[in-house]
Amino acid sequence: DAKTTQPPSMDCAEGRAANLPCNHSTISGNEYVYWYRQIHSQGPQYIIHGLKNNETNEMASLIITEDRKSSTLILPHATLRDTAVYYCIVRAEKLVFGKGTKLTVNP
Amino acid sequence: DAGVTQSPTHLIKTRGQQVTLRCSPKSGHDTVSWYQQALGQGPQFIFQYYEEEERQRGNFPDRFSGHQFPNYSSELNVNALLLGDSALYLCASSLTIFGADTQYFGPGTRLTVL
Repeated sequence: DAKTTQPPSMDCAEGRAANLPCNHSTISGNEYVYWYRQIHSQGPQYIIHGLKNNETNEMASLIITEDRKSSTLILPHATLRDTAVYYCIVRAEKLVFGKGTKLTVNP
Repeated sequence: DAGVTQSPTHLIKTRGQQVTLRCSPKSGHDTVSWYQQALGQGPQFIFQYYEEEERQRGNFPDRFSGHQFPNYSSELNVNALLLGDSALYLCASSLTIFGADTQYFGPGTRLTVL
């Protein structure tokens, strides 16, 4: 079973920041937080991952709370192409996908 | 640098038949994982291959089997197909190192069982 809780859907205006929350209250000390996204019927695309510290790459930023029980994925300037299902995954050895958050970026 | 590739793109089979799906990992990767994604659901882990051995397995029956070749490519075989096996089958590759090994997914094979 997925060890994360995400809102089923969110909307964001184009050009604004999209902040996607994820709760993972049962996370263990050696488990990473991974984010993937999936655009309709395509393979999931890796976005970012982290263990304790906040992380940033060319796609997004990942903010992990100090107690590691929740995290937020930030897309700084959302575009229409960012419309997708976003999966937050707590991972030890294998990826266990939940239902994710359907993010819709509106013009 | 080619990413993960899968073949075929689409496949139609009838109940009771057998199917083989193929995956070539990203260059430099040595581990292949397979996932099944039913319509409207998140991907479900089937199994993972490393050094030509099945390293982990999800909750799938023995009808699902696999193989990894010396060049790290992999096959997923499904016997005695059921209607419920209709799904998008995803392959992901990674490099096994200590700690988190990031998995990169291919485009998937859409299997339809009639």
